[in-house]
Amino acid sequence: DGGITQSPKYLFRKEGQNVTLSCEQNLNHDAMYWYRQDPGQGLRLIYYSQIVNDFQKGDIAEGYSVSREKKESFPLTVTSAQKNPTAFYLCASSMDGRTDTQYFGPGTRLTVL
Amino acid sequence: AQSVAQPEDQVNVAEGNPLTVKCTYSVSGNPYLFWYVQYPNRGLQFLLKYITGDNLVKGSYGFEAEFNKSQTSFHLKKPSALVSDSALYFCAVRDRSSGSARQLTFGSGTQLTVLP
Repeated sequence: DGGITQSPKYLFRKEGQNVTLSCEQNLNHDAMYWYRQDPGQGLRLIYYSQIVNDFQKGDIAEGYSVSREKKESFPLTVTSAQKNPTAFYLCASSMDGRTDTQYFGPGTRLTVL
Repeated sequence: AQSVAQPEDQVNVAEGNPLTVKCTYSVSGNPYLFWYVQYPNRGLQFLLKYITGDNLVKGSYGFEAEFNKSQTSFHLKKPSALVSDSALYFCAVRDRSSGSARQLTFGSGTQLTVLP
């Protein structure tokens, strides 16, 4: 997990509220990613960014939004439009998005009540 | 399109015995292949990867994996299992011909339990 921090570790929100998950890296990596993990389903890509001020939708982007204003930061907002937001969210980064290994943060567990 | 399959949800092995966690993949071109490990409520930790070259890849904590192109497999192995190896293991694949950063597909994971 070294070099990538996610906060908070646990997050509880009421249904209908937007919530923002933080992801910061000090590895000087260009590319950053957000994944969602549900039991028995592996990881699914939500959004990714290869460079500052640019990001692309992944496989399950609906109900989520991101920004990449700084190289080291890639926050994820879970909006009220996300129908089933309770999950474990993982942020990752890589030196470049094409060939390099992705390194993961410790994750944020979001529970919507 | 690319995909990866981990056919076993659960693998149990006795401490000291060899372990194997299976992974098969499908890509249109040639693959990059990865293994990650996840401990409860933690992020994924990188174990090893195959890019090119030797089919036997050595990684962290004594793990290794063998790339078999004809069988489209990349099984994770360790000669002598430890109780501390008990965790959730993920295989991932990327098609080398893909120019997009998003193209890392993960398997559904295999829970390894090493029994003392």
